[in-house]
Amino acid sequence: GENVEQHPSTLSVQEGDSAVIKCTYSDSASNYFPWYKQELGKGPQLIIDIRSNVGEKKDQRIAVTLNKTAKHFSLHITETQPEDSAVYFCAARWPPYNQGGKLIFGQGTELSVKP
Amino acid sequence: EPEVTQTPSHQVTQMGQEVILRCVPISNHLYFYWYRQILGQKVEFLVSFYNNEISEKSEIFDDQFSVERPDGSNFTLKIRSTKLEDSAMYFCASNPGAGRETQYFGPGTRLLVL
Repeated sequence: GENVEQHPSTLSVQEGDSAVIKCTYSDSASNYFPWYKQELGKGPQLIIDIRSNVGEKKDQRIAVTLNKTAKHFSLHITETQPEDSAVYFCAARWPPYNQGGKLIFGQGTELSVKP
Repeated sequence: EPEVTQTPSHQVTQMGQEVILRCVPISNHLYFYWYRQILGQKVEFLVSFYNNEISEKSEIFDDQFSVERPDGSNFTLKIRSTKLEDSAMYFCASNPGAGRETQYFGPGTRLLVL
């Protein structure tokens, strides 16, 4: 099966700085990697995802990069704002190529953006 | 925008009692899931449901757990005899299928077993 590791567990940045969160996965067959943001008292909300046929994807201040050889993917947030403060989870879907497959989550990163 | 809803938001129960956690997935979605998150730990998969039957379940999902989709809109998780270690946040999620992969999560039910 698949295993996902995420680091760091906590990240504190100044407003306007960039934040990077990294995840590694264990099974090279995995092909779908979403990132979720969880605000206090709410459920995880998808912020961006990437498939294994793409190396990078951007959506405004958020980008995700994927290195299939190294089996890792990263979330990049530029020009951070206080409202970016939340817990971020990476995940991999398993089994691959099964659109209904479960998500295997990383441990989560608590991002704090200081004004 | 359609959302997954869950009730109750909080539930406190005594060990050994039965609890039912309720979810209303997004209309027309085809895949349904329950996950749980013990405080300070990873979000863990419990069970997936498709075409009115369980498609996969984890080791956590033992005989004390069951799921139902009784009326085409609700999706419930029942824990027959709760244990202290069942205390967690339980999330319901749904996926539209038809080539789309995103899982949409509800706000969760915080279950506390005393």
